[in-house]
Amino acid sequence: AQTVTQSQPEMSVQEAETVTLSCTYDTSESDYYLFWYKQPPSRQMILVIRQEAYKQQNATENRFSVNFQKAAKSFSLKISDSQLGDAAMYFCAYRWGSQGNLIFGKGTKLSVKP
Amino acid sequence: DAGVIQSPRHEVTEMGQEVTLRCKPISGHDYLFWYRQTMMRGLELLIYFNNNVPIDDSGMPEDRFSAKMPNASFSTLKIQPSEPRDSAVYFCASGSSSSYNEQFFGPGTRLTVL
Repeated sequence: AQTVTQSQPEMSVQEAETVTLSCTYDTSESDYYLFWYKQPPSRQMILVIRQEAYKQQNATENRFSVNFQKAAKSFSLKISDSQLGDAAMYFCAYRWGSQGNLIFGKGTKLSVKP
Repeated sequence: DAGVIQSPRHEVTEMGQEVTLRCKPISGHDYLFWYRQTMMRGLELLIYFNNNVPIDDSGMPEDRFSAKMPNASFSTLKIQPSEPRDSAVYFCASGSSSSYNEQFFGPGTRLTVL
């Protein structure tokens, strides 16, 4: 069975600094997708970034980038120039194939200090 | 586009009562997912539909839970009878097989069973 593990229940970062959130996953599949979702206190789930397993290049979206290590089954999220609005729960998620359900990690609560 | 619409946003009910949660997916999306979020178990899939047909309901906790999708623009999740352990946030998400694999989440329904 596929599993997603986020080993950091909480993280803290100073405003304008960089922080990295960790995620590992377990799968025997070769065709899969990985995602990072942000959940602010409003509880809305917001997609931050996605990565297709077949792509070697790491995905980037403005201040957000990932370090995808397929062999190690690792998918970390780096937030550069952290802003107060980045404070939220961050969930790593896995999906097998082009569509289907997401399997989520337990989440990491990120605090941003002014 | 209005995004995924869920109603009600909050529901408080007493144990033993029937609860119905509603979801309107994004127009044109052919996948619909119901997830549940609790502190203990995190985010987990309950059931998902493709073209209104249930594909995977292995996450439905027990017979007290049922879900329907009578047409492409409406789905319900029903709990009968409700129990305090059903208290959670229930998310509906939709996706399209012709888009870039993203699942769009609704705002969630916070259910409290007393």
